[in-house]
Amino acid sequence: GESVGLHLPTLSVQEGDNSIINCAYSNSASDYFIWYKQESGKGPQFIIDIRSNMDKRQGQRVTVLLNKTVKHLSLQIAATQPGDSAVYFCAENIQDGNNRLAFGKGNQVVVIP
Amino acid sequence: DAGVTQSPTHLIKTRGQQVTLRCSPKSGHDTVSWYQQALGQGPQFIFQYYEEEERQRGNFPDRFSGHQFPNYSSELNVNALLLGDSALYLCASSLGRSSYNSPLHFGNGTRLTVT
Repeated sequence: GESVGLHLPTLSVQEGDNSIINCAYSNSASDYFIWYKQESGKGPQFIIDIRSNMDKRQGQRVTVLLNKTVKHLSLQIAATQPGDSAVYFCAENIQDGNNRLAFGKGNQVVVIP
Repeated sequence: DAGVTQSPTHLIKTRGQQVTLRCSPKSGHDTVSWYQQALGQGPQFIFQYYEEEERQRGNFPDRFSGHQFPNYSSELNVNALLLGDSALYLCASSLGRSSYNSPLHFGNGTRLTVT
């Protein structure tokens, strides 16, 4: 399938290790954030979301951390598996009168078996 | 329960031509948003349709237009194609216009190549 990860920051991680993907967002007024995973040849897939009144949210094997002070978001994946290899995007809900998502550039995660 | 479906999956057009892409939202969803994703980039918001009207629009020229039908399906039309329009076009659906209540569900996209 085609690659969506050309020239993206790449994180190589050993299978079983934990992964941390970072994202800086742009708008201090953004109040809702989502992490998406995009595999080659597919559309983005929802992983986890967090609202601005929280600083941490956990899902199955994933944790999202939000630091509003420095406008930083991170996604932690526990016990990374080969199926986690993909491009990961953070998206912010822009509150500029248009309720829409603005996506970051993406980070490629490569899991080494 | 069918997710978001898009057609066609791939399309090749010539500069100056017009193209129509189609999207059926996830069952139970009534709002459709379209995004353009250039190779190696994140998706860029084009516009959103709700109740058969364009509700929001990103920074795209009028050559990009759309339509939503009573069954909530949607079309994206691009006129006077340019080489720079080559991209993956993603359709996303949700229930209602707010992201809070219903995160966007994406289809697998239509890969448009303009030659």
